[in-house]
Amino acid sequence: GENVGLHLPTLSVQEGDNSIINCAYSNSASDYFIWYKQESGKGPQFIIDIRSNMDKRQGQRVTVLLNKTVKHLSLQIAATQPGDSAVYFCAENTGSGGYQKVTFGIGTKLQVIP
Amino acid sequence: EPEVTQTPSHQVTQMGQEVILRCVPISNHLYFYWYRQILGQKVEFLVSFYNNEISEKSEIFDDQFSVERPDGSNFTLKIRSTKLEDSAMYFCASSEVVGAGELFFGEGSRLTVL
Repeated sequence: GENVGLHLPTLSVQEGDNSIINCAYSNSASDYFIWYKQESGKGPQFIIDIRSNMDKRQGQRVTVLLNKTVKHLSLQIAATQPGDSAVYFCAENTGSGGYQKVTFGIGTKLQVIP
Repeated sequence: EPEVTQTPSHQVTQMGQEVILRCVPISNHLYFYWYRQILGQKVEFLVSFYNNEISEKSEIFDDQFSVERPDGSNFTLKIRSTKLEDSAMYFCASSEVVGAGELFFGEGSRLTVL
């Protein structure tokens, strides 16, 4: 069945280092992926998305890489800061038009060590 | 910046009691959603709502659950007879009809069933 999941449940990173959070998916037909950040006690917050016609997309300090061959997605955070500490979810969006059907994977907790 | 607001932030109830969780979606959004997150687990889709009717629901959304848009601003989730396993964080979200359609989440309502 369809599954979006994460390799590592917890990642500890020194402040200033780069972070890489990985995600695997099983549905080869998936074509739209999103990374969400969830801080403690808050709702998921959109970080960056990528469609299957791309293999890389960059935002501010974040880069998402998509490898469709091995069905792997990663989120890279440059110069990790204490404010980046949160749980990060990769998610698949199978909606169309304005309708967002988002299926979340199991999150990875990022701990930034000052 | 417009945001999705939810009330209450935390509700404690006795098993078997009815609970209503309230949400005010972003004003120009027309798709509305409820998600649930049991402590330490991933965010799960419950139901989506458009044009005053349910557009999709998950297996979790059984007969004990209902949603309503009672007026032009509120979107509610009702649980008729709460069970212990309904204890979770409930997130409301909304999205626009057109455009990129990013999903915007509220900060959640924590439900504790005793």
